Amino acid sequence: DGGITQSPKYLFRKEGQNVTLSCEQNLNHDAMYWYRQDPGQGLRLIYYSQIVNDFQKGDIAEGYSVSREKKESFPLTVTSAQKNPTAFYLCASSRAVSPGNTIYFGEGSWLTVV
Amino acid sequence: AQSVTQLDSQVPVFEEAPVELRCNYSSSVSVYLFWYVQYPNQGLQLLLKYLSGSTLVKGINGFEAEFNKSQTSFHLRKPSVHISDTAEYFCAVSESGGSNYKLTFGKGTLLTVNP
Repeated sequence: DGGITQSPKYLFRKEGQNVTLSCEQNLNHDAMYWYRQDPGQGLRLIYYSQIVNDFQKGDIAEGYSVSREKKESFPLTVTSAQKNPTAFYLCASSRAVSPGNTIYFGEGSWLTVV
Repeated sequence: AQSVTQLDSQVPVFEEAPVELRCNYSSSVSVYLFWYVQYPNQGLQLLLKYLSGSTLVKGINGFEAEFNKSQTSFHLRKPSVHISDTAEYFCAVSESGGSNYKLTFGKGTLLTVNP
């Protein structure tokens, strides 16, 4: 079945450490996204990528970095510069970055800073 | 820039009762509208979307929504809910023209269906 796989599901990080969240899709989608979800806050866009080797900042990119070396992969690194990283992170994809396209989501990754 | 307001953060209902989850949007241009559902500890799944045409949109799991341009609303309805409909529901909007693809989400409405 086609879909989006995020790993790990749960991750604990010590303050001052970088951590990378994995996202792989086999939907053959060109566009990929990372969202952050906090309770009662909805979803906020961190980064998005329209094609391989290209990505753009979203609304809350500070303290995060991404890469898009392969069409199917879009890993997110949460750096030590992110002041409040504890959250639920959602990876998503769509055929293209276009207003009417449906965005498909992975199952999410919980990051907790301890 | 567009924005979305979900008027209720929580909606408790009894099983087999009807439900309406309210969503209002703001935009200076034409919009596309979406409803997504999120079950506990999972990602979001598209329920339905309005792009053009009929203002009454039918989605999965018996849900429907009506686009009302004059009231800038896109309320989600179901005539009879089940326990399994307990989830968080997100309304989202994007501008239909230009280069601004951005999908803006509301803060969500937690629907709790009680037996």
